[in-house]
Amino acid sequence: GESVGLHLPTLSVQEGDNSIINCAYSNSASDYFIWYKQESGKGPQFIIDIRSNMDKRQGQRVTVLLNKTVKHLSLQIAATQPGDSAVYFCAEKNDYKLSFGAGTTVTVRA
Amino acid sequence: EADIYQTPRYLVIGTGKKITLECSQTMGHDKMYWYQQDPGMELHLIHYSYGVNSTEKGDLSSESTVSRIRTEHFPLTLESARPSHTSQYLCASSRGVEKLFFGSGTQLSVL
Repeated sequence: GESVGLHLPTLSVQEGDNSIINCAYSNSASDYFIWYKQESGKGPQFIIDIRSNMDKRQGQRVTVLLNKTVKHLSLQIAATQPGDSAVYFCAEKNDYKLSFGAGTTVTVRA
Repeated sequence: EADIYQTPRYLVIGTGKKITLECSQTMGHDKMYWYQQDPGMELHLIHYSYGVNSTEKGDLSSESTVSRIRTEHFPLTLESARPSHTSQYLCASSRGVEKLFFGSGTQLSVL
């Protein structure tokens, strides 16, 4: 079946550096994608979303890039802070429901 | 901040017990969902509801059942808990089918 997945299960980043979290998807018909952040012991929190008619969308310190040609989604976090340490999930709208990937654990080094 | 609440936050229970995980939202969302998640792993949809008296099974087979008698309430029940049910259960709600708001989850341990 079609699924959403992430390239790397873990990412270690120096505080102040930029982070890039990658996600590959296989359903070329997906028209909506979303990123969530999940801190330890909490439920996922919305970060940013993007529709397939866009290739870039910016939020506060975050940017999502969508490359439909290679079916790739990425989340960029500028000036990574200790509070950014969490598990990050991408998801795609598939058959009127969200399908989640396995997540990338981001650890910020002081 | 999302107004969706799950209780209990943690539950340790013996095999064979019946349990109900509570989920309530005050946002007036028609759509509600239950996901199951093992530590650090992806979320698997086990049940969803698009409105009162409407419930559907999700992508992951589950022995649990749900009900939706009121818009704001979407409880999940396990008639006879087993160790294989040990997991985190996340409830979510949404207005459309896109941006979901999640509760803090219930961590269930079945001994």
